[in-house]
Amino acid sequence: KAGVTQTPRYLIKTRGQQVTLSCSPISGHRSVSWYQQTPGQGLQFLFEYFSETQRNKGNFPGRFSGRQFSNSRSEMNVSTLELGDSALYLCASNPEGSTGELFFGEGSRLTVL
Amino acid sequence: QKEVEQDPGPLSVPEGAIVSLNCTYSNSAFQYFMWYRQYSRKGPELLMYTYSSGNKEDGRFTAQVDKSSKYISLFIRDSQPSDSATYLCAMSAGYGGATNKLIFGTGTLLAVQP
Repeated sequence: KAGVTQTPRYLIKTRGQQVTLSCSPISGHRSVSWYQQTPGQGLQFLFEYFSETQRNKGNFPGRFSGRQFSNSRSEMNVSTLELGDSALYLCASNPEGSTGELFFGEGSRLTVL
Repeated sequence: QKEVEQDPGPLSVPEGAIVSLNCTYSNSAFQYFMWYRQYSRKGPELLMYTYSSGNKEDGRFTAQVDKSSKYISLFIRDSQPSDSATYLCAMSAGYGGATNKLIFGTGTLLAVQP
């Protein structure tokens, strides 16, 4: 069974630009979560989607948004990039009915210059 | 004060040693407790999962949860160089739609020396 796939793996943007990251969950998983990982703050919850609906959102500004498609694939978008948005963005999926048993992708490493 | 506190290390031990990793937390609503392992340039992978209090053992790994003290631990017996990674504790209240809103510790970097 293929794992969680994230694209692109690496990207470099400049301040003010926007970025879209993509995530394909494990087949059969309908729940997708996004996390931001930085050396200073560690892993922080961004949002969670289930069956195309946002189920929960973390404490991030409105510049961070996401969506989920009918095939469970998910995208997140960050607009008006700031230097502090440089991070590893991790997507995770999990089977229905489980709590906290997340299967993570390898992440998309974003550098903002 | 962070909801979850974890000593960042680094922790260096010789091969074969017993490793003890710990986290403390402040939110009494946490019911689900996880340990994830993250190798360099990889995503975290679930190592141990515990609901509520108690112990859980899986091979060389034992997870303990003491909700009265708000303290969780991960023990690694007979540590191997392949155990060298960052270990992250994570917790969730697991209700009200926040099922996968995990609060992570900052991670402990472990190095097992051959």
